[in-house]
Amino acid sequence: DIQMTQSPSSLSASVGDRVTITCRASRSISNYLNWYQQKPGKAPKLLIYAASSLQSGLPSRFSGSGSGTDFTLTISSLRPEDFATYHCQQSYTTPWTFGQGTKVEIK
Amino acid sequence: QVHLQESGPGLVKPSETLSLTCTVSGGSISSYYWSWVRQPAGKGLEWIGRLYPSGSPTYNPSLKSRVTMSVDTSKNQFSLKVSSVTAADTAVYYCAREGRSGSYYPFDYWGQGTLVTVSS
Repeated sequence: DIQMTQSPSSLSASVGDRVTITCRASRSISNYLNWYQQKPGKAPKLLIYAASSLQSGLPSRFSGSGSGTDFTLTISSLRPEDFATYHCQQSYTTPWTFGQGTKVEIK
Repeated sequence: QVHLQESGPGLVKPSETLSLTCTVSGGSISSYYWSWVRQPAGKGLEWIGRLYPSGSPTYNPSLKSRVTMSVDTSKNQFSLKVSSVTAADTAVYYCAREGRSGSYYPFDYWGQGTLVTVSS
């Protein structure tokens, strides 16, 4: 299985901050990397697919980059509704696997 | 707008079989891959398996011996069975659609999730 490791596991930030979350795959997954946002008690929501493609209808403050084994999710200017847990997921080969999640909390 | 809804018992006894159904509305089940994902309380997401209505399911090897997935296209539903459950199978179970964008299959629609507790 491909292991996905996110860092940090949690972070504290303020509204307006630029936030970067990283995700590392245990081997190359090209750009088959997706990012999800999850709020408490809710299902995950797709943000970014194919490492850098923004899901339709979502704000441009979310962006993704990377290829191979190293990927980043960036929120350019944090808004109150962005406080949530973010998950990466590889869709290169089954079994699909997720990172352990990064919780973004209010400072 | 595609909508997914999980249904099934919220409480299952140890050693018995967990059975869930996902009903898809707002679109046909026939042209996409459909997956089950679970999340124990306070933990990360675990993919259980996927199926395409006209093909064979693919399961996570970690659960393969206990999992069965099936589809009923006439009802626009797909189902999950996990046998011989233990407390470790207690989790929120989600059904999800794997969207298609070229060769990419992200989970673009999710059900709201259903909590299944394994306890006697």
